[in-house]
Amino acid sequence: GAVVSQHPSWVICKSGTSVKIECRSLDFQATTMFWYRQFPKQSLMLMATSNEGSKATYEQGVEKDKFLINHASLTLSTLTVTSAHPEDSSFYICSAGTGANYGYTFGSGTRLTVV
Amino acid sequence: RKEVEQDPGPFNVPEGATVAFNCTYSNSASQSFFWYRQDCRKEPKLLMSVYSSGNEDGRFTAQLNRASQYISLLIRDSKLSDSATYLCVVVMNTGFQKLVFGTGTRLLVSP
Repeated sequence: GAVVSQHPSWVICKSGTSVKIECRSLDFQATTMFWYRQFPKQSLMLMATSNEGSKATYEQGVEKDKFLINHASLTLSTLTVTSAHPEDSSFYICSAGTGANYGYTFGSGTRLTVV
Repeated sequence: RKEVEQDPGPFNVPEGATVAFNCTYSNSASQSFFWYRQDCRKEPKLLMSVYSSGNEDGRFTAQLNRASQYISLLIRDSKLSDSATYLCVVVMNTGFQKLVFGTGTRLLVSP
């Protein structure tokens, strides 16, 4: 089946530094990748939709200059959390579509802790 | 009103019980519907798609009522391993496809 590889699985960084998260679709081409954030005991909240070759579309309230998304190829999308702060600590997950009736495959998630 | 609404639970049921979860969505133009399962601190995994005619996969049955904008998931003969959070997911076309998640319903199956 379709697999999305997400790295790193977890990262601890100092406040003020930037962290890059990668998502790769391993056996299919993902024209669209979704980026979500999940705080403890809450649901997944869509942050942005990443389209290959064009600018990402951000949800209301998500700072595009803070969460930089790059989708340069059909198999790779990256999310960079710039100047991370403790309140950015969360579980970040990507997802790519494999066809509307077949669901969406998720990466394994990245647990970010900013200290 | 939230785009996708679910009762957060938790639903505490004994092994062998039958349990149903409901989900409502606000956008009548929604295209596709899914149920996902999420275990603690893990990524969501697709449980099943939801079709207008209703569909069944083993102990799991999903129903869609477009007129009422309502989706359901029925789990029969609950197992301990069914304990998880069940997420209702709606795909909307807002110029591009957008997945919207419900808050999830937590299920706890006890011996």
